Amino acid sequence: GQNIDQPTEMTATEGAIVQINCTYQTSGFNGLFWYQQHAGEAPTFLSYNVLDGLEEKGRFSSFLSRSKGYSYLLLKELQMKDSASYLCAAPNSGNTPLVFGKGTRLSVIA
Amino acid sequence: DTGVSQNPRHKITKRGQNVTFRCDPISEHNRLYWYRQTLGQGPEFLTYFQNEAQLEKSRLLSDRFSAERPKGSFSTLEIQRTEQGDSAMYLCASSLIPGLGTDTQYFGPGTRLTVL
Repeated sequence: GQNIDQPTEMTATEGAIVQINCTYQTSGFNGLFWYQQHAGEAPTFLSYNVLDGLEEKGRFSSFLSRSKGYSYLLLKELQMKDSASYLCAAPNSGNTPLVFGKGTRLSVIA
Repeated sequence: DTGVSQNPRHKITKRGQNVTFRCDPISEHNRLYWYRQTLGQGPEFLTYFQNEAQLEKSRLLSDRFSAERPKGSFSTLEIQRTEQGDSAMYLCASSLIPGLGTDTQYFGPGTRLTVL
């Protein structure tokens, strides 16, 4: 099975850069997902990594190291609307249901 | 709107009552997932379908829970004899399996269940 660990809370300043880390232990690896979830809303897909390295999408980038069981989500030029929970997730095995971490609640302050 | 939709958005019920939730996936998505999320936790998998076949059920899914996807389109999740511990957000997600590659799941807005 999967075990996914990420920090519970982080605070960062508007305009800054923040890195949210995620470590995972797998019995089989088939990619890693990041989702954003605003309070009371559904998770929305941000990124997917299956190969090592950095994937950039505008202000958001996601990095994966399969040998280290490690990923991070990088948010640049933070805006107040980026205050949300960020969920790291990976398939339990093969390409089936996602196992989610508990989420990192990011607060962006002025 | 072509996203995943769920109804109702909120449900308040008394302990012991039965409730049913509906999920309409993104059109032509062949996979449909149900998750449950409580405050401060990530979503936890309950069950999923590929077309009309229910392929996997979590151990979290007690015999009071049943899900169907009769025609491979919308799905229903029923909870019988609700308990206070069933209070949670019930999330539905759908995806399209191309055969190879990612299974990116897109979530609906959820149904928030409160059991009194």
